[in-house]
Amino acid sequence: QQQVKQSPQSLIVQKGGISIINCAYENTAFDYFPWYQQFPGKGPALLIAIRPDVSEKKEGRFTISFNKSAKQFSLHIMDSQPGDSATYFCAASKSGRNNDMRFGAGTRLTVKP
Amino acid sequence: DTAVSQTPKYLVTQMGNDKSIKCEQNLGHDTMYWYKQDSKKFLKIMFSYNNKELIINETVPNRFSPKSPDKAHLNLHINSLELGDSAVYFCASSQQDRLGEQYFGPGTRLTVT
Repeated sequence: QQQVKQSPQSLIVQKGGISIINCAYENTAFDYFPWYQQFPGKGPALLIAIRPDVSEKKEGRFTISFNKSAKQFSLHIMDSQPGDSATYFCAASKSGRNNDMRFGAGTRLTVKP
Repeated sequence: DTAVSQTPKYLVTQMGNDKSIKCEQNLGHDTMYWYKQDSKKFLKIMFSYNNKELIINETVPNRFSPKSPDKAHLNLHINSLELGDSAVYFCASSQQDRLGEQYFGPGTRLTVT
């Protein structure tokens, strides 16, 4: 079953606008929530991540908001730029041996100039 | 310096053939992974290797076999290729205690005709 649900599937934003991508998870054992950015023809790259003991993390124009009680987290891209156009994946992982990371289905972001 | 490298980048082959994809990481990580990304961009983990031991084996056909000669390499061997195996395969690595921080290779696009 899909343990991390991501929406929307695609998103079009004007340059300078705010891009918002949402994710929800089911397993409360997850303890690390990264976002990956993937450009066409490239592998995913870690963009920003958060642990459940904080509600928000900001790095430059990228912010993760985390709601532990609702089991939801979101990525906000402020002042979106055409160079941000990529596919974004949320993910969730749990520590310890025999564990792994589960990805959301991805959001294709297009930022129009 | 390339952190995670894969060869080949493109692989076109016929049904029924056997092929291998090689992966090497120079990050000193102790865990390596193989992912399959389908045409809808969904990332599915196939295998995880930690210190040469298979940790995860998702519902992957036994035609797929990972082989790790040492901690820096995790190769993927595929027997009796089928049309449905066409996808992009990504190798990734991480430290076992930081499973959420994975470094991905550039991918191998496999096309089975």
